Amino acid sequence: AQSVTQLGSHVSVSEGALVLLRCNYSSSVPPYLFWYVQYPNQGLQLLLKYTTGATLVKGINGFEAEFKKSETSFHLTKPSAHMSDAAEYFCAVSKVTGGGNKLTFGTGTQLKVEL
Amino acid sequence: DAGITQSPRHKVTETGTPVTLRCHQTENHRYMYWYRQDPGHGLRLIHYSYGVKDTDKGEVSDGYSVSRSKTEDFLLTLESATSSQTSVYFCAIRTQDTTGDEQYFGPGTRLTVT
Repeated sequence: AQSVTQLGSHVSVSEGALVLLRCNYSSSVPPYLFWYVQYPNQGLQLLLKYTTGATLVKGINGFEAEFKKSETSFHLTKPSAHMSDAAEYFCAVSKVTGGGNKLTFGTGTQLKVEL
Repeated sequence: DAGITQSPRHKVTETGTPVTLRCHQTENHRYMYWYRQDPGHGLRLIHYSYGVKDTDKGEVSDGYSVSRSKTEDFLLTLESATSSQTSVYFCAIRTQDTTGDEQYFGPGTRLTVT
């Protein structure tokens, strides 16, 4: 079985500060890993993904994440927070099976950006 | 935008009534998924489809059924709605490219069961 743990259901940063959202996963096979962002009253938008290859992946809006197999982690970072980054962020892991890539989500981290 | 629409976007219904939510896609994707989102649980897979008339259960399928009679539509039915099914429901489609699989989500349906 696969699972995802997001440490911190709420994270608050100052505008211009580093954003670090933590995600640890467990998977019996090499995983595909994803970060999604959800703005209020909207659907989920894919920020970035790791499948194979380079372990540092860059996504939209200046976000990036690093796959660390030894730590089973896929933390999301952004060097300088902007007010528009305030949203809920979800980490997800998938395993490709006969039924397509079934995603298992973490419980989400609400990011607040303060002036 | 992966051409996914959901209807209705909001619905209030009473306990015991049947409810059907519709997901419609315009890009002929084979795989479609239904998730529910609840505070503290993230998103959980209810059912998914891998083709017309081909469906399977997800993690939280009890109390739900699905149907897919044509590629573009994936219906989620609550046969007899309960208050525990108050949630936000998201449909998703799967795409594949040279970098792997991705899922794209619709705008969601907020369902309240009173």
